[in-house]
Amino acid sequence: GAVVSQHPSWVICKSGTSVKIECRSLDFQATTMFWYRQFPKQSLMLMATSNEGSKATYEQGVEKDKFLINHASLTLSTLTVTSAHPEDSSFYICSARDGHSGASYEQYFGPGTRLTVT
Amino acid sequence: AQKVTQAQTEISVVEKEDVTLDCVYETRDTTYYLFWYKQPPSGELVFLIRRNSFDEQNEISGRYSWNFQKSTSSFNFTITASQVVDSAVYFCALTGISGYSTLTFGKGTMLLVSP
Repeated sequence: GAVVSQHPSWVICKSGTSVKIECRSLDFQATTMFWYRQFPKQSLMLMATSNEGSKATYEQGVEKDKFLINHASLTLSTLTVTSAHPEDSSFYICSARDGHSGASYEQYFGPGTRLTVT
Repeated sequence: AQKVTQAQTEISVVEKEDVTLDCVYETRDTTYYLFWYKQPPSGELVFLIRRNSFDEQNEISGRYSWNFQKSTSSFNFTITASQVVDSAVYFCALTGISGYSTLTFGKGTMLLVSP
């Protein structure tokens, strides 16, 4: 099956610093990648959708200047949390869609990255 | 707009009991897909099942079974003879078929199975 990896799996950073999270599709080309945020005991909330080679589309209420998304290749998307604050502490999950499968409904999820901002 | 409702926030059962997790959805699409995912304490989402809107046949996979009723917009999930390892949060989700469709998740149901 299709595999999506995320790195790092967990990260602790100081308030005011930036942190980058990588999402890779290991055995398929991901034309579209999605970034979700999940607070404790809550559901997954879509933050943004990124298509390879174009700007990400952010959901309402998500600050695009704070959460920088880059999808420069068909196997890699990055989420950079800039000037992180404690309220950005969350579980970030990426997913990827295989552009060649014809199954536009299918998303493959990464294992998630737990971010703690101190 | 799409919406998925999982009315049960938390369910506690004793091992070997059967348990049903409810999922009700809303969509204007005529073709759509429904999913169930399991999220254990580790956090990684585990795919359980996908069902398209034209296939109303119930499905059974081991101790798991799913009941899809289009007439009531429900896609319920039953675990038979629950085990402690079934303890997790379970999410129901919905998406359309267009390339612009996104996945809408319910709020999840936390299942606690005690020995």
